[in-house]
Amino acid sequence: AQTVTQSQPEMSVQEAETVTLSCTYDTSESDYYLFWYKQPPSRQMILVIRQEAYKQQNATENRFSVNFQKAAKSFSLKISDSQLGDAAMYFCAYRTSMNRDDKIIFGKGTRLHILP
Amino acid sequence: KAGVTQTPRYLIKTRGQQVTLSCSPISGHRSVSWYQQTPGQGLQFLFEYFSETQRNKGNFPGRFSGRQFSNSRSEMNVSTLELGDSALYLCASSLELYYEQYFGPGTRLTVT
Repeated sequence: AQTVTQSQPEMSVQEAETVTLSCTYDTSESDYYLFWYKQPPSRQMILVIRQEAYKQQNATENRFSVNFQKAAKSFSLKISDSQLGDAAMYFCAYRTSMNRDDKIIFGKGTRLHILP
Repeated sequence: KAGVTQTPRYLIKTRGQQVTLSCSPISGHRSVSWYQQTPGQGLQFLFEYFSETQRNKGNFPGRFSGRQFSNSRSEMNVSTLELGDSALYLCASSLELYYEQYFGPGTRLTVT
């Protein structure tokens, strides 16, 4: 069974600094999708970034980028120039692209604090 | 476009009762998924619907059920509520399968 592990329950970073959130997953599939979602306090979950496993190039969205290491089954999120609005719970998620039992699996989340 | 809407936003029920939660996806989205979020278990997948068909279901008892209508709106039902069903229930929609999911604000269910 696929699993997603976020080993850092909480992290803190100084405003304007860079922080990296870790995510590892376990799967025997070769084709799948990986996501990072952000859930601000009392606000809706939003997609931060998405990566297709077949793409070697790491996805980037403005200040957010990923380090996708397929062989190591690692998918970390780097936030550059951290801002106060980045404070949130961050969830790593996995979804196989094979058409069988392809539910999304979420990690337990990492709570990110931004220190002014 | 309006985002994903969920009703009601807050609900208090008593053990043994049943509850129905509603989700209206973004216009044009055909896939709707439901999740249960609790502090202890995190985010757990409940089920996914696409074109009125349940595609897959998470590891939840049969008390949890759902359906999707022809306009893609979805409902989930929990019968014989237990205290452990207290959670934030999130609905997410996507244009097609495997596309990005857009989440609603959730329904906070409290079972007393």
